[in-house]
Amino acid sequence: QQQVKQSPQSLIVQKGGISIINCAYENTAFDYFPWYQQFPGKGPALLIAIRPDVSEKKEGRFTISFNKSAKQFSLHIMDSQPGDSATYFCAASTTGTASKLTFGTGTRLQVTL
Amino acid sequence: KAGVTQTPRYLIKTRGQQVTLSCSPISGHRSVSWYQQTPGQGLQFLFEYFSETQRNKGNFPGRFSGRQFSNSRSEMNVSTLELGDSALYLCASTLPSQESRQYFGPGTRLTVL
Repeated sequence: QQQVKQSPQSLIVQKGGISIINCAYENTAFDYFPWYQQFPGKGPALLIAIRPDVSEKKEGRFTISFNKSAKQFSLHIMDSQPGDSATYFCAASTTGTASKLTFGTGTRLQVTL
Repeated sequence: KAGVTQTPRYLIKTRGQQVTLSCSPISGHRSVSWYQQTPGQGLQFLFEYFSETQRNKGNFPGRFSGRQFSNSRSEMNVSTLELGDSALYLCASTLPSQESRQYFGPGTRLTVL
């Protein structure tokens, strides 16, 4: 029950388009859902995170949508830019073990000109 | 403020050997977590240390161990290396008041021949 399933595995979006990455979880005890961005040769960096008491959170061009009943959450990148080309990971954790993140398998995003 | 630092950045070992990786957290951060990243398994939680005590543990064999020092620096050790241990090992640190916000280092790339 610790899995977090992420799709798609890879995504190609034109500059200015919307990138959408989806995740689904099984463990209903999860109560913290962050998204990380990773560039080659670098460690993951926290992009945006949400808790299940809200259905949406927006920070700049990045939005998380959260559906508690469906146990799904997604990342939307508006006005995608070539600099957004990276691998994106969704993750989840539970209160009390917040530092023990369960990660999705990652989505490699390529934004073309 | 300096970020999370990991040493060495690259390491080549042979099967059966042991290896020690080091992580220096961001100043003031007392929690250090370790993750293994591989193309096949993705990012997997190894363990977390807080105030020199292991607080959480993932599902890895006993060959993987760690420790934390009084200055919050952490080391992880892998004994009797196997080919499958080849991976990027990531360290992340957090503030006690923001346990869910993890800051990752660049990782140590371990290759086992």
